[in-house]
Amino acid sequence: AQSVSQHNHHVILSEAASLELGCNYSYGGTVNLFWYVQYPGQHLQLLLKYFSGDPLVKGIKGFEAEFIKSKFSFNLRKPSVQWSDTAEYFCAAYPYNQGGKLIFGQGTELSVKP
Amino acid sequence: DSGVTQTPKHLITATGQRVTLRCSPRSGDLSVYWYQQSLDQGLQFLIQYYNGEERAKGNILERFSAQQFPDLHSELNLSSLELGDSALYFCASSVAVGANTEAFFGQGTRLTVV
Repeated sequence: AQSVSQHNHHVILSEAASLELGCNYSYGGTVNLFWYVQYPGQHLQLLLKYFSGDPLVKGIKGFEAEFIKSKFSFNLRKPSVQWSDTAEYFCAAYPYNQGGKLIFGQGTELSVKP
Repeated sequence: DSGVTQTPKHLITATGQRVTLRCSPRSGDLSVYWYQQSLDQGLQFLIQYYNGEERAKGNILERFSAQQFPDLHSELNLSSLELGDSALYFCASSVAVGANTEAFFGQGTRLTVV
């Protein structure tokens, strides 16, 4: 089935460590990709998005993601995490010709230790 | 604040009952999406409306229905509730439909079925 997969369910890092969260999608056609963040008790907020062009996209709060078409991947990165980055991170895909469905991965819970 | 308003924030009800969740989209947004977030299923797309018409349907149960009214607010009706329906229900809105639109999420309604 067509889907979005996030390989890490829970990641624990110390402050200043580097972060990479994996995301793979299984749609063969053109697809737009997103990373959302959900801080504890809050709504989902958009971190960054890829529609076309430069496959390395920069988002808010120092996050970036790289679209690798050959690997069907859109991994999220941050060089140095902070305690305030503790949240759940969702990768999402909006495949063209899928009738308006923004499909989410299972989410990765990030805990940053001070 | 995303500009998307969901009411109520919390709802506790008994099995077999029916509830209505309400969503007011951001000003100017014509499209509304409903998602269910549960621990075991992650974020599941339920249904999307655009300017009053249903545009896309996901894994929405027959016991669930939704509509979008002329003032663009939307309601999600859940009936014959079961324990497994306990989840966080998110509404999102966007200006239009299509892969190039960004969705903004509300705070969610936490439904507990006892």
